[in-house]
Amino acid sequence: KQEVTQIPAALSVPEGENLVLNCSFTDSAIYNLQWFRQDPGKGLTSLLLIQSSQREQTSGRLNASLDKSSGRSTLYIAASQPGDSATYLCAVGDNDMRFGAGTRLTVKP
Amino acid sequence: GAGVSQTPSNKVTEKGKYVELRCDPISGHTALYWYRQSLGQGPEFLIYFQGTGAADDSGLPNDRFFAVRPEGSVSTLKIQRTERGDSAVYLCASSSISGRATGELFFGEGSRLTVL
Repeated sequence: KQEVTQIPAALSVPEGENLVLNCSFTDSAIYNLQWFRQDPGKGLTSLLLIQSSQREQTSGRLNASLDKSSGRSTLYIAASQPGDSATYLCAVGDNDMRFGAGTRLTVKP
Repeated sequence: GAGVSQTPSNKVTEKGKYVELRCDPISGHTALYWYRQSLGQGPEFLIYFQGTGAADDSGLPNDRFFAVRPEGSVSTLKIQRTERGDSAVYLCASSSISGRATGELFFGEGSRLTVL
């Protein structure tokens, strides 16, 4: 059974700092990896999707990389802003995407 | 529609009652997913539909849970004889690509179920 781990569980940084969130998974036979953002009491907002043939995706200040052989993905956030404060979740798999517990990010002004 | 719509947004019920939660996916999306999320946890996979059929229901916790998607669009998650442990946020997602080439998942805002 696929196990997804996100480290750290919580992170607090000052505004403007660059940061990296980590996601690791036990079964490398995945088809997709997707990063999401979740604000309190809200649903999940898709940030980036990396399909198995890809190694990274970029959107604005966000960059996600995927290393299937080592079972790892990172989400890099450049020049963090208070509005980036949220929980970040990664999900891996194909049809039955499995989620980690998330990293709760706080960006202080 | 423009996004995934879930109703009701909040449902409070008593232990032992029957509950239905509805999901209206993005128009044209053939794949539909149900997840359950408890406080402080990531979403837990329940069931995946490809068109009208349940392609993978391995995440349903027991036979009190059932989901349908009769016309390949709207889906209903049904919970019989609710228990306090069923309290959670039930999330629905849809995707435009099916099979192994699963596309980007788009989530609704969720239905918060509280069983008293």
